[in-house]
Amino acid sequence: DAKTTQPNSMESNEEEPVHLPCNHSTISGTDYIHWYRQLPSQGPEYVIHGLTSNVNNRMASLAIAEDRKSSTLILHRATLRDAAVYYCILRDVPGGWGGSEKLVFGKGTKLTVNP
Amino acid sequence: GAVVSQHPSRVICKSGTSVKIECRSLDFQATTMFWYRQFPKQSLMLMATSNEGSKATYEQGVEKDKFLINHASLTLSTLTVTSAHPEDSSFYICSAPPPTGLGGGYGYTFGSGTRLTVV
Repeated sequence: DAKTTQPNSMESNEEEPVHLPCNHSTISGTDYIHWYRQLPSQGPEYVIHGLTSNVNNRMASLAIAEDRKSSTLILHRATLRDAAVYYCILRDVPGGWGGSEKLVFGKGTKLTVNP
Repeated sequence: GAVVSQHPSRVICKSGTSVKIECRSLDFQATTMFWYRQFPKQSLMLMATSNEGSKATYEQGVEKDKFLINHASLTLSTLTVTSAHPEDSSFYICSAPPPTGLGGGYGYTFGSGTRLTVV
């Protein structure tokens, strides 16, 4: 079963920031927080990941709570092309090395971007 | 970055026939490939895990004789839906994890998906 909880849907206006929350209260010390998004009729694509510290990349920012029980994906300026289902997934990496752990998808958050 | 090429993107087949879906890792070696199925307006459901050179591992409730998985090389994994029926119509997606040993800080790569319609 998925170990994360996300709102079913969120709505934003174009050019405005979007904050997508994710709760993972049972996160363990070896869980990495991964975010993926799935555009309509496409396979998911990797967005960002983090372990303890906040992270930034060209697509988004990831803010991780100090207790790691929640995180927020931040799209700084939403565009119409950001309309997708966003999935927050925990990837357990025992020992820190990374194997071939399967990713379990929850229902995700469907983001609608209004022009 | 890593790319997984999935073909065909969509296929329509007659009930009772078999369909093969291919996933190739283009610029890296994928010793493991995950296969998912997604019904309309639902999330991805893991069907099975294929490992190069060994038998696939199927999730509970997935018929291994119906969904044949072959992972004969480090760059190719295939899913064959045998004796397809309309209820098998779905969106099938493959995914490769990052190379082992790199740590948890790398994303998984997904194919673009195959829309299967059985008529």
